[in-house]
Amino acid sequence: DSGVTQTPKHLITATGQRVTLRCSPRSGDLSVYWYQQSLDQGLQFLIQYYNGEERAKGNILERFSAQQFPDLHSELNLSSLELGDSALYFCASSPRYEDTQYFGPGTRLTVL
Amino acid sequence: GQNIDQPTEMTATEGAIVQINCTYQTSGFNGLFWYQQHAGEAPTFLSYNVLDGLEEKGRFSSFLSRSKGYSYLLLKELQMKDSASYLCAVREDSGYALNFGKGTSLLVTP
Repeated sequence: DSGVTQTPKHLITATGQRVTLRCSPRSGDLSVYWYQQSLDQGLQFLIQYYNGEERAKGNILERFSAQQFPDLHSELNLSSLELGDSALYFCASSPRYEDTQYFGPGTRLTVL
Repeated sequence: GQNIDQPTEMTATEGAIVQINCTYQTSGFNGLFWYQQHAGEAPTFLSYNVLDGLEEKGRFSSFLSRSKGYSYLLLKELQMKDSASYLCAVREDSGYALNFGKGTSLLVTP
């Protein structure tokens, strides 16, 4: 158990819908990262927050957005969902942005 | 951007030693990580190299050569529970996100 928590564990929804994934980092960690893992693409970096501010952006679609709240938990919002958005979404955290990242258990999103 | 290459699959026997290679091309380099991932589970951190050489941690060792853009993960005394995907990830100078290879699926057989 890494100490990073993610909810929900599974999410099944329909195309065109919007969902919110939640992540609580390890106690004391200021940096949160979101990754998407699909069978064909592997693990892809989406976005990073550090102490409430956006720090880096990767291959994140415009339909996706995220934020980190004052209590350091983070949410990833996915809208206008498409079949291809079906994937495992992982959150990782680290004390500072240059430290080792520890991953949460993931949210499995299925878009039907 | 980065290009990270690892073999797709490997098979080894219980009790043996296996070496998983990773090559990378990057415009900047700020460390190389190895993670283990069992199917449907979270990646778990195994090792980190930022300087050339070998880092040893129990049954696992990782080697880095920055000039060659090359790393390997060495697993000794293989156990059945080592059957998993092993992910090589490089961190660039310009940021601190990890860029992952597609992973090497290791099957340990009796």
